Amino acid sequence: AQSVTQLGSHVSVSEGALVLLRCNYSSSVPPYLFWYVQYPNQGLQLLLKYTTGATLVKGINGFEAEFKKSETSFHLTKPSAHMSDAAEYFCAVTRSRGSTLGRLYFGRGTQLTVWP
Amino acid sequence: SQTIHQWPATLVQPVGSPLSLECTVEGTSNPNLYWYRQAAGRGLQLLFYSVGIGQISSEVPQNLSASRPQDRQFILSSKKLLLSDSGFYLCAWQSRTGGHTEAFFGQGTRLTVV
Repeated sequence: AQSVTQLGSHVSVSEGALVLLRCNYSSSVPPYLFWYVQYPNQGLQLLLKYTTGATLVKGINGFEAEFKKSETSFHLTKPSAHMSDAAEYFCAVTRSRGSTLGRLYFGRGTQLTVWP
Repeated sequence: SQTIHQWPATLVQPVGSPLSLECTVEGTSNPNLYWYRQAAGRGLQLLFYSVGIGQISSEVPQNLSASRPQDRQFILSSKKLLLSDSGFYLCAWQSRTGGHTEAFFGQGTRLTVV
């Protein structure tokens, strides 16, 4: 079965500081991994994804994430936080093959607050 | 390009009233379709998913049902709403080609049951 754990339901950083949002996954087959961002009262927008190939993936708005198979992690980082980064972030996993192919399993989300 | 439309954006309904939320996708064919609910502090809960017309899988037993009468239309319904049905409902689509990767979300419907 697939599952996602996001450590920390709330993360606060100062503007200009490093952003680190943690995500660990469980998957019985090689996973596809995603980070989504949600602004208030809006749908989810894809930030970045890992399917195959390079384990360090870059996304929109300066975010990147690294797939570490040995640690079953896919942490999201940004070197310098901006006020506009304040939002809720969701990590998700899906199977790359087998039954339930394509179904996304989401973490519970991390609310990022950026202080001026 | 592909787009997903979800309506209405907000809805206030009394307890016991029926519900119908509609989601349509344009620019793609034969997508996977999903209904999620987001309640405060509880993340995203998958309610229903569909891999084709008339094919609906339910993730959790509850007061809601879903239908897919056309390839790119997904409807979420209830005969009698409960207070606990309040939440933010999100529809999403996913391509069934190219490895079934990311899902694309609508803008959501904020449902308040009073």
